Amino acid sequence: AQSVTQLDSQVPVFEEAPVELRCNYSSSVSVYLFWYVQYPNQGLQLLLKYLSGSTLVKGINGFEAEFNKSQTSFHLRKPSVHISDTAEYFCAVTIAGTASKLTFGTGTRLQVTL
Amino acid sequence: DAGITQSPRHKVTETGTPVTLRCHQTENHRYMYWYRQDPGHGLRLIHYSYGVKDTDKGEVSDGYSVSRSKTEDFLLTLESATSSQTSVYFCASGHRTDTQYFGPGTRLTVL
Repeated sequence: AQSVTQLDSQVPVFEEAPVELRCNYSSSVSVYLFWYVQYPNQGLQLLLKYLSGSTLVKGINGFEAEFNKSQTSFHLRKPSVHISDTAEYFCAVTIAGTASKLTFGTGTRLQVTL
Repeated sequence: DAGITQSPRHKVTETGTPVTLRCHQTENHRYMYWYRQDPGHGLRLIHYSYGVKDTDKGEVSDGYSVSRSKTEDFLLTLESATSSQTSVYFCASGHRTDTQYFGPGTRLTVL
């Protein structure tokens, strides 16, 4: 079975500073990886995904993530955050070849302040 | 955004009563899912469907049942609601090998 660990439950950061949200996964087979964002009182929105190919994945709103198979990681980064990036971020994993049965991490709350 | 709606958006009910939540999608997605979101747990899969009348259990299926009579609709039923089922419920839909798209959620409170 797959599992996901998001190492930080909360990440405070100042506006225009860079940020990294960490995600590590565990799986005995190849995986697909996803980052979703949840704004207050809303559903989840896809930020980016890794299915295959280039290990550096670019998503919406200036976010990017790098798939590192040797370190079983898929960390999310943004070089300069904005107040509007304040939200909950979820990493998710599934077996490669299917996007069903996603396993989610417990989430990281990104709090951006002035 | 994918056309996924959930109803109701908020519901308060009493222990022991039946509750049905509805998910409707207009994307002709074959796969549909029900998750619950609780603090400290992220999202956990309750049930999913891989076609009309084809459903399977997820990680936390006890106390829940589902039905899918049409491609666009996926119903989640709590036969006899308990306080432990107080949660935010999210529906999602998608294709087998790609992204899941989420609805806006239903906040259920069981008193």
